[in-house]
Amino acid sequence: DTEVTQTPKHLVMGMTNKKSLKCEQHMGHRAMYWYKQKAKKPPELMFVYSYEKLSINESVPSRFSPECPNSSLLNLHLHALQPEDSALYLCASSPTGLTDTQYFGPGTRLTVL
Amino acid sequence: GESVGLHLPTLSVQEGDNSIINCAYSNSASDYFIWYKQESGKGPQFIIDIRSNMDKRQGQRVTVLLNKTVKHLSLQIAATQPGDSAVYFCAENGAGGTSYGKLTFGQGTILTVHP
Repeated sequence: DTEVTQTPKHLVMGMTNKKSLKCEQHMGHRAMYWYKQKAKKPPELMFVYSYEKLSINESVPSRFSPECPNSSLLNLHLHALQPEDSALYLCASSPTGLTDTQYFGPGTRLTVL
Repeated sequence: GESVGLHLPTLSVQEGDNSIINCAYSNSASDYFIWYKQESGKGPQFIIDIRSNMDKRQGQRVTVLLNKTVKHLSLQIAATQPGDSAVYFCAENGAGGTSYGKLTFGQGTILTVHP
């Protein structure tokens, strides 16, 4: 298995909802990442998990809460989002989290009403 | 601060032509660079990478060139096909310290291949 999977593909939520994005990889990678991508812009790093520990938080608002239950799974819990949080949320993984290649999932298209 | 950028936002070529996409980076300590292809509605797809101890690396129909003197990176696509139409991003992987694991993307170039 050489891919990163993400669910759901699309998500529409209200500003008072709580939802979660899920990411999974079975490549034995020990680093996993969340990125946010707005239309016609490059991906922007949000969080990095290395060996199931949060190693980088790019000053992301607390309404985004990451979780890494084990080395294969990465979640992003969403609560009280704003319409400007609407974007494509990308998950990636890499073997070690050092200077190695990151492989991306297809993303979750999030719309906040 | 660190930045990775592209010279040309759009590139339009005819099928069969060779394409060259350019990228400039500002962190002279960067030691790993990646090119990604992103098709509409999909996540970025790894194309090719290069480390700073190399000047050139070739893959299938793609070549990446690294010029550390002028901090410039390029992606060459040979015999471009309509399926190559996408947005291409260069990315720099942080060089040590707290930058490990931090992938910084350039702004992207839209490549359109006409049949």
